[in-house]
Amino acid sequence: EAGVAQSPRYKIIEKRQSVAFWCNPISGHATLYWYQQILGQGPKLLIQFQNNGVVDDSQLPKDRFSAERLKGVDSTLKIQPAKLEDSAVYLCASSFLTSPDTQYFGPGTRLTVL
Amino acid sequence: SQQGEEDPQALSIQEGENATMNCSYKTSINNLQWYRQNSGRGLVHLILIRSNEREKHSGRLRVTLDTSKKSSSLLITASRAADTASYFCATGHTGGFKTIFGAGTRLFVKA
Repeated sequence: EAGVAQSPRYKIIEKRQSVAFWCNPISGHATLYWYQQILGQGPKLLIQFQNNGVVDDSQLPKDRFSAERLKGVDSTLKIQPAKLEDSAVYLCASSFLTSPDTQYFGPGTRLTVL
Repeated sequence: SQQGEEDPQALSIQEGENATMNCSYKTSINNLQWYRQNSGRGLVHLILIRSNEREKHSGRLRVTLDTSKKSSSLLITASRAADTASYFCATGHTGGFKTIFGAGTRLFVKA
């Protein structure tokens, strides 16, 4: 069974530039999550989708971050404009609708903002 | 803010020894999960214990949960070098299913 796919794996940009990350969840997983993991910390939930609807985006900095999940499958997370403090690993995870507490994580995208 | 607080922050042991990590949390939970993260990789779900359970086993893993003390522990028996990783506890909540992760314990197992 294929796991959660993310791309790119690494990205280096300068501050004020824009960046986008892509995630393809496990087939059949209705729930998709984006997490931000700063070095030395645990993952912090940015946004959670059920199918193509947003369940929780309370910790998403909406002035610069946006996310969408068209057609309830793939998702993209965008940062515009990036700040130095956005340097982190961005993790995508997915789960079955009925088992939200067993999440399957992708390898993450390591973002460095210079 | 993060819900779980892992203790210790870092742990170094010899191969074959047991490793114990603790997690404390602040509010009521529906369940508690433990995840492993190898360097530069995504997280892997290890085990989930529900709020009405006190102990759970999976292979070399043993998890306990004390809801009165709002704490959990993860025991890895007969550790191996391959167990070297960061271990995170995460609390699951009803009403939105928000999962909140702690800062993790970094385990280093010396061969």
